[in-house]
Amino acid sequence: AQKVTQAQTEISVVEKEDVTLDCVYETRDTTYYLFWYKQPPSGELVFLIRRNSFDEQNEISGRYSWNFQKSTSSFNFTITASQVVDSAVYFCALSWGWYNQGGKLIFGQGTELSVKP
Amino acid sequence: TAGITQAPTSQILAAGRSMTLRCTQDMRHNAMYWYRQDLGLGLRLIHYSNTAGTTGKGEVPDGYSVSRANTDDFPLTLASAVPSQTSVYFCASKGGLNTDTQYFGPGTRLTVL
Repeated sequence: AQKVTQAQTEISVVEKEDVTLDCVYETRDTTYYLFWYKQPPSGELVFLIRRNSFDEQNEISGRYSWNFQKSTSSFNFTITASQVVDSAVYFCALSWGWYNQGGKLIFGQGTELSVKP
Repeated sequence: TAGITQAPTSQILAAGRSMTLRCTQDMRHNAMYWYRQDLGLGLRLIHYSNTAGTTGKGEVPDGYSVSRANTDDFPLTLASAVPSQTSVYFCASKGGLNTDTQYFGPGTRLTVL
């Protein structure tokens, strides 16, 4: 069975601190896809990144970086020099399989990040 | 660009009443999904549709039904609402491949009293 665990329910940091959000996944499929979404206080879900199981390269996008490690089944998300606008709930999600198998997403419970000025 | 629209934005519903949540996408995506979001549980899949004319059950389908008469629309119906269906409902869509990304609508906040 597929599962995504975000063990950190809430994190509170002071602006300019670095913060890492953890994500651990479980799947028996060799082909799978990992995602991070951001949900700001306004409520919408914003796509941040997608990674497939064949691509273990880390990704950096501005202050955001992602560390994908198949050996530990983890896909962690780091925000460098956090800002108040980063305050949101962040979800890690997993999809698996090839075309026409639903492409369903399994979400973690979410991590609520609060960045204080 | 509209992307995905959902209606209504919010609704208060008496228990036992029926209601249809509407979802429309203008991206010509093949696949569409309905999730509910509850505190501490993340988002859970209710129903999905890989393509027009087909639907499937997700993790929490009981009490909900869907239809997919065309590519753009994917309504979610609660035949007889119960208080446990109080939640925020999100519709999502994506292209036909599992390499594609799901994009979400703005959500509908439903309260069942």
